[in-house]
Amino acid sequence: AQKVTQAQTEISVVEKEDVTLDCVYETRDTTYYLFWYKQPPSGELVFLIRRNSFDEQNEISGRYSWNFQKSTSSFNFTITASQVVDSAVYFCALSGLMDSSYKLIFGSGTRLLVRP
Amino acid sequence: GAVVSQHPSWVICKSGTSVKIECRSLDFQATTMFWYRQFPKQSLMLMATSNEGSKATYEQGVEKDKFLINHASLTLSTLTVTSAHPEDSSFYICSARDRTSVSYEQYFGPGTRLTVT
Repeated sequence: AQKVTQAQTEISVVEKEDVTLDCVYETRDTTYYLFWYKQPPSGELVFLIRRNSFDEQNEISGRYSWNFQKSTSSFNFTITASQVVDSAVYFCALSGLMDSSYKLIFGSGTRLLVRP
Repeated sequence: GAVVSQHPSWVICKSGTSVKIECRSLDFQATTMFWYRQFPKQSLMLMATSNEGSKATYEQGVEKDKFLINHASLTLSTLTVTSAHPEDSSFYICSARDRTSVSYEQYFGPGTRLTVT
């Protein structure tokens, strides 16, 4: 079975603070992809990153960084120097090879509120 | 980049009527499209997987006779909510997978907000 757990339901920080969103996944696939999406109040999903299971290198994109650790089945997302515009719901998702339909399994999401 | 559109972006209908939502891949061909439903403050739940030229595969608990999916071409899938009821009010999101893609990425539409009165 595939499962994605985002234990943090809501996080509130003050602008310029760093914040880490946790994501833990379960899968029996050896080949899989992990994703992070941002969903602002408008509702449209914004793709942030895709990472395949064979690439454990951490990635940094501006104020965003991702820490992928297969040993702990985690794919955490850190926002450095948060801004009010970062306020949104963030979803972690998993897609595995075993299910050839390529469907995405989403976590429950973490609502981030960045206060000025 | 790959763009997916949805129409309409929002719709209000009366209980008992049917509503059709379109999902189009604008600059790529999609052999597979997915339909999700999202209730307020909840995650996206996959409803069905739509493959071009074949019947959709529905997730457990989703009524296939109520949510009719048609994927007649490589760029268009439609979701029809038949005999809609207030509990069907939700945010419906489609996504599409590029047939030429080797990754598992899906491109998401902007969503359709359905309100049934």
